[in-house]
Amino acid sequence: DGGITQSPKYLFRKEGQNVTLSCEQNLNHDAMYWYRQDPGQGLRLIYYSQIVNDFQKGDIAEGYSVSREKKESFPLTVTSAQKNPTAFYLCASSNSGTNHYTFGSGTRLTVV
Amino acid sequence: DAKTTQPTSMDCAEGRAANLPCNHSTISGNEYVYWYRQIHSQGPQYIIHGLKNNETNEMASLIITEDRKSSTLILPHATLRDTAVYYCIVRAPSNTGNQFYFGTGTSLTVIP
Repeated sequence: DGGITQSPKYLFRKEGQNVTLSCEQNLNHDAMYWYRQDPGQGLRLIYYSQIVNDFQKGDIAEGYSVSREKKESFPLTVTSAQKNPTAFYLCASSNSGTNHYTFGSGTRLTVV
Repeated sequence: DAKTTQPTSMDCAEGRAANLPCNHSTISGNEYVYWYRQIHSQGPQYIIHGLKNNETNEMASLIITEDRKSSTLILPHATLRDTAVYYCIVRAPSNTGNQFYFGTGTSLTVIP
C-alpha cells in the first residue's frame, strides 16, 4: 500500500545531541513537509520541499536542518541549537493533482 | 491564506449527526475550504474539501454558505472513533509553497 512512513515512533535523546528523524513516502509525491506540534497546539511548519534538491524554510526553521536527495525521502535533523526540541514531529507529502496532504503517523521526540 | 475561526470544543452523542462550524469571512474567490482531523497522537487525516458547492464523500459532507464566509462539516452518524480534533483550513491551490496552516481546531468528543 502507498503511504508515508516516519520512524521511529518514539525517540529519546540527551540534551546537546543532534538527532535525525526519518520520513519516507512511496506515493510519488513531489512535495514534502515537516511540522512540529506541541501539546494542545496546532501544527507549525518547519521546512518544506517542492522538488528534489530544493527546500524552503517554514515558520520555525531555526535549529533544524533538512535534505532532499531523493524524491522519496525528506529527513529532518534536530540540532543542538534547537532550544526546545521535545515535541511531536509530523511529516507530510502532497502533489499538485490531489492538492491535499498525506501525513505520517509522527515521531515523538523527548530530549532529556 | 484566509484565517478561520472554529469553536474550541464540542460534544456529540453517538449515532447523532455532528455539525462542526467554521467561519472564514475573509476567504478569497480562489481559496478552497479543507477539513482534516487528528486522532490523538496520530497524523492528521484528510476528510474533504470544496470551493463553493456542497460536497459529500464516504466520510462526511461539507456545506458551504452561498457567500462562502462560513462552512459546516457534517459527520452524519458519529461514532466513538470520530473523537478527534477537526481542523478547518482555507487556502488557494498554488505551486508556490503549497503549505497548509493548521490552527488549534475543534476538539470533538463523541459521547456513548
